[in-house]
Amino acid sequence: DIVMTQTPLSSPVTLGQPASISCRSSQSLVHSDGNTYLSWLHQRPGQPPRLLIYKISNRFSGVPDRFSGSGAGTDFTLKITRVEAEDVGVYYCMQAKQFPYTFGQGTKLEIK
Amino acid sequence: QPQLQESGPGLVKPSETLSLTCSVSGGSMSSSSYSWAWIRQSPGRGLEWIGAIYNTGRAYYSPSLKSRVTISGDTSNNIFSLSLSSVSAADSAAYYCVRTELGVTFGDYWGQGILVTVSS
Repeated sequence: DIVMTQTPLSSPVTLGQPASISCRSSQSLVHSDGNTYLSWLHQRPGQPPRLLIYKISNRFSGVPDRFSGSGAGTDFTLKITRVEAEDVGVYYCMQAKQFPYTFGQGTKLEIK
Repeated sequence: QPQLQESGPGLVKPSETLSLTCSVSGGSMSSSSYSWAWIRQSPGRGLEWIGAIYNTGRAYYSPSLKSRVTISGDTSNNIFSLSLSSVSAADSAAYYCVRTELGVTFGDYWGQGILVTVSS
């Protein structure tokens, strides 16, 4: 299985300040079709995860442009330019290159 | 916009079979553009992919659960189901059904989830 490792596991941030989460995979996520199936999900308490970013850097419908994804191969980053109150919760990276799909442990974003 | 909704019992006895259904609306399960998956989440295990089914009826399972899992689909009624046998307390989790757009992304739409507790 591909292991997804996120850092940090907890990130206290000040409203209006940037935040960054890293994700590393145990092997390259480049699929044979040329795509890299690395996604970022956000989960608020009591809610299901929702898709933020797919294929490294594509924002899903309705996701604010303060969210951006970058990276390649095995190293990926999610950045929030200016954190807003609604951004609190847990962020997960996940790979859909091969079965079984796997998720990172999650990074809890909280406001200082 | 597609909607997915899980249904089933919230309490299952140990050693019995957990059975859940996902109803899909706003999109056809018979489309070759999508696959349909089950994910579960527990405090101890985090998010765990259980398996997925395609419009052909072919299903793929997590190796760690393969011996106990069956995912089936009914495209005429736009529902797919999860069966997990011989459950134990370790199978207590929130279970989600999820859509994947093939070639694009996993998890563009999720159900609200259903909490299943395994207890006598």
